Amino acid sequence: QSALTQPPSASGSPEQSVTISCTGTSSDVGGYKYVSWYQQHPGKAPKLMIYEVSKRPSGVPDRFSGSKSGNTASLTVSGLQAEDEADYYCSSYAGSNFYVFGTGTKVTVL
Amino acid sequence: QVTLRESGPALVKPTQTLTLTCTFSGFSLSTTGMFVSWIRQPPGKALEWLTFIDWSNGEYYSTSLKTRLTISKDTSKNQVVLTMTNMDPVDTATYYCARMTGYYSLDYWGQGTLVTVSS
Repeated sequence: QSALTQPPSASGSPEQSVTISCTGTSSDVGGYKYVSWYQQHPGKAPKLMIYEVSKRPSGVPDRFSGSKSGNTASLTVSGLQAEDEADYYCSSYAGSNFYVFGTGTKVTVL
Repeated sequence: QVTLRESGPALVKPTQTLTLTCTFSGFSLSTTGMFVSWIRQPPGKALEWLTFIDWSNGEYYSTSLKTRLTISKDTSKNQVVLTMTNMDPVDTATYYCARMTGYYSLDYWGQGTLVTVSS
């Protein structure tokens, strides 16, 4: 089972938007609505930011949004803030292979 | 309040078997639709999903590691145990346990435990 493909890095200035892609196959991202996104600050455990492609858990700012088209899911962070600087990982249910994470994207706030 | 905490050895020797315990509170693993998962992260690298167990004792394993992994649960103790055989230095990582819901999202995580494999 190969990891989902994410760009290694992304950046934006404060108040700008940044979008991270997560590309899989029809056996994972494209085949199910179970795509999640996690934020991880250095030395900390990941935090769930988006589930079921576009839903936000309670307490997650609405600056974070998710979408999916075909085999590619995306996370958009609008109105970037300094505290958004972190690593972001996507994940997907993968049918017979059960579960897979993305390669991770480091977001830098310029 | 949902919490999870990993415990186990910080150092294991090559070829040894690693046993990690996830002790959780605030939910029951006998509730339909509930899972507990193990994930690892080598230093400076990406997250890697290892395994999860569900409310009905269903066990699900990473294809690449399934021959080395075993997951089990003790519902009365609110614990999930991971064993990984034949440890190698490349298995050095922070190991996390996390709660997974029926939406296949990991909504609560433990703080992680660093396991180093070295002779």
